[in-house]
Amino acid sequence: AQSVTQLDSQVPVFEEAPVELRCNYSSSVSVYLFWYVQYPNQGLQLLLKYLSGSTLVKGINGFEAEFNKSQTSFHLRKPSVHISDTAEYFCAVSDGSGSWGKLQFGAGTQVVVTP
Amino acid sequence: DGGITQSPKYLFRKEGQNVTLSCEQNLNHDAMYWYRQDPGQGLRLIYYSQIVNDFQKGDIAEGYSVSREKKESFPLTVTSAQKNPTAFYLCASSIGGSGDEQYFGPGTRLTVT
Repeated sequence: AQSVTQLDSQVPVFEEAPVELRCNYSSSVSVYLFWYVQYPNQGLQLLLKYLSGSTLVKGINGFEAEFNKSQTSFHLRKPSVHISDTAEYFCAVSDGSGSWGKLQFGAGTQVVVTP
Repeated sequence: DGGITQSPKYLFRKEGQNVTLSCEQNLNHDAMYWYRQDPGQGLRLIYYSQIVNDFQKGDIAEGYSVSREKKESFPLTVTSAQKNPTAFYLCASSIGGSGDEQYFGPGTRLTVT
């Protein structure tokens, strides 16, 4: 079974500074990778996903992520954050060889943006 | 607007009572999921259903039950056997394939005292 590790539980960052959230997954022949964002007391919203093709994936709200198969990583980045980016971010993986839609989530990274 | 509805937003129950959380979707999705979220633990899968009248246990199914009598609805019952039921519960749906995005409802926060 897949496992996902988000290396930072909390990331403080100043407004307009860049941010990187790290995600590593256990190896597999093929995987699908996702980043979701959760604002306080709300459900999750998809930021971006990697299925195949280009390893650099662009998502909503200026976020992007890079898939690195050799390092089994899928780190999320944003070059300049806003106060509104304060939220919890979850990395998730689906086994591409066929565990039919099941996602394994990381523990989450809380991003706190301050002026 | 298409989406997923969970009700109520907040739910309070006494220990020893069963409680049912509602989840409805109008996205015409085949697959539906229930997750439990606790601080610092991410989302853990309770049950999932690929089609009507069929469902499978997830990673933490003990103390929970579900039904899938209609495509649009996937209610979750938290039984008195669940040792630590206080949590945030999220329902999701997807078209059904392994690369498909899951769409999430707004969640229900259950507090049992």
